[in-house]
Amino acid sequence: QKEVEQNSGPLSVPEGAIASLNCTYSDRGSQSFFWYRQYSGKSPELIMSIYSNGDKEDGRFTAQLNKASQYVSLLIRDSQPSDSATYLCAFSPGRSSASKIIFGSGTRLSIRP
Amino acid sequence: KAGVTQTPRYLIKTRGQQVTLSCSPISGHRSVSWYQQTPGQGLQFLFEYFSETQRNKGNFPGRFSGRQFSNSRSEMNVSTLELGDSALYLCASSLEGVSGTEAFFGQGTRLTVV
Repeated sequence: QKEVEQNSGPLSVPEGAIASLNCTYSDRGSQSFFWYRQYSGKSPELIMSIYSNGDKEDGRFTAQLNKASQYVSLLIRDSQPSDSATYLCAFSPGRSSASKIIFGSGTRLSIRP
Repeated sequence: KAGVTQTPRYLIKTRGQQVTLSCSPISGHRSVSWYQQTPGQGLQFLFEYFSETQRNKGNFPGRFSGRQFSNSRSEMNVSTLELGDSALYLCASSLEGVSGTEAFFGQGTRLTVV
């Protein structure tokens, strides 16, 4: 079983709609969860971090974490063409240690005008 | 505030050679991690340094090594290059403490082995 599972996509969403990206992880002891966005040919960019169960909102982005179900998601409201990218789900075992972050293989998101 | 700086941005090397990549973290960040990204394997953790000590290591052969200096700058070395080492090598820096483990990436070094 992979440590982080994501649907590779591509996920196609019309402009202005809500894009929903999902991720499951295997390590029940995981404390920190992240979503990174990566444009083609560029490095990953951190867009959300979440540490507690529930929702965390930042602008058009909402991250949702359910530790009991080992599930984390990212919602993008009012999707824009500039949101077209690969979204990487990631987790880290510890809250205070940056020693290792495990990444999923990413979901390709395409926003169609 | 300057971001994470990686040099060089692009490298072409021949099989059997060795290569050294450099990473300067965000000012004040003491943790530096290295990752390899390939189309087939995705982002894979190589190792992490904190205060000049390697704290964690991924599942890569001993040809991959690194070090961190007192100013938190880090270098990564790959010896006896193989064609399969062609990849984007990414460095990420983190601030320890209440900010948690948020890691910020540099632009990467694209290594091509021919």
